[in-house]
Amino acid sequence: DAKTTQPTSMDCAEGRAANLPCNHSTISGNEYVYWYRQIHSQGPQYIIHGLKNNETNEMASLIITEDRKSSTLILPHATLRDTAVYYCIVNFGNEKLTFGTGTRLTIIP
Amino acid sequence: GAVVSQHPSWVICKSGTSVKIECRSLDFQATTMFWYRQFPKQSLMLMATSNEGSKATYEQGVEKDKFLINHASLTLSTLTVTSAHPEDSSFYICSATGRDQETQYFGPGTRLLVL
Repeated sequence: DAKTTQPTSMDCAEGRAANLPCNHSTISGNEYVYWYRQIHSQGPQYIIHGLKNNETNEMASLIITEDRKSSTLILPHATLRDTAVYYCIVNFGNEKLTFGTGTRLTIIP
Repeated sequence: GAVVSQHPSWVICKSGTSVKIECRSLDFQATTMFWYRQFPKQSLMLMATSNEGSKATYEQGVEKDKFLINHASLTLSTLTVTSAHPEDSSFYICSATGRDQETQYFGPGTRLLVL
């Protein structure tokens, strides 16, 4: 699996957009970019994934740069319930996931 | 869709006893399930990959005789911690690959405390 680099922690004001960056400069052509989050004492929750194109669902948007070496997860209107550790993972799909340390996102009231 | 459940959600047992944890895919069939372990303030670590009808593949350093995995059907995998010791106390989480064969969905986790 290609490695990813994420900031250790971030704060975001409630109601604002939270933009979480991820670098994956060694990603290979067929690897997807996945985002999961883990709220304290719960199992990870799938958020979104993409290969080349930008993706959007009811939870978030994923922006992948043209060279695919980095991506940004966007939570459009952050709420207090979005406080969690966010993991960016690159993977071929249907394989074991390697979790790094992620970004601890804190939503500030 | 793509809901994964685990049972029990938490368990306390005495040292030397065995504990079984169930992982079920509720609304889809999962040919592959994964078992992870998470210690406090650490990230998830993969223990083993479980394929329906075949033996599990264990990660390096995980004792296959201590952590027995059975994946007898497309919707159920079990992890049995045999002769549990206090150092086995952890948060055990399973995941299953959904219909798209691209996305893993995680269960809510099972917290094990061995006294």
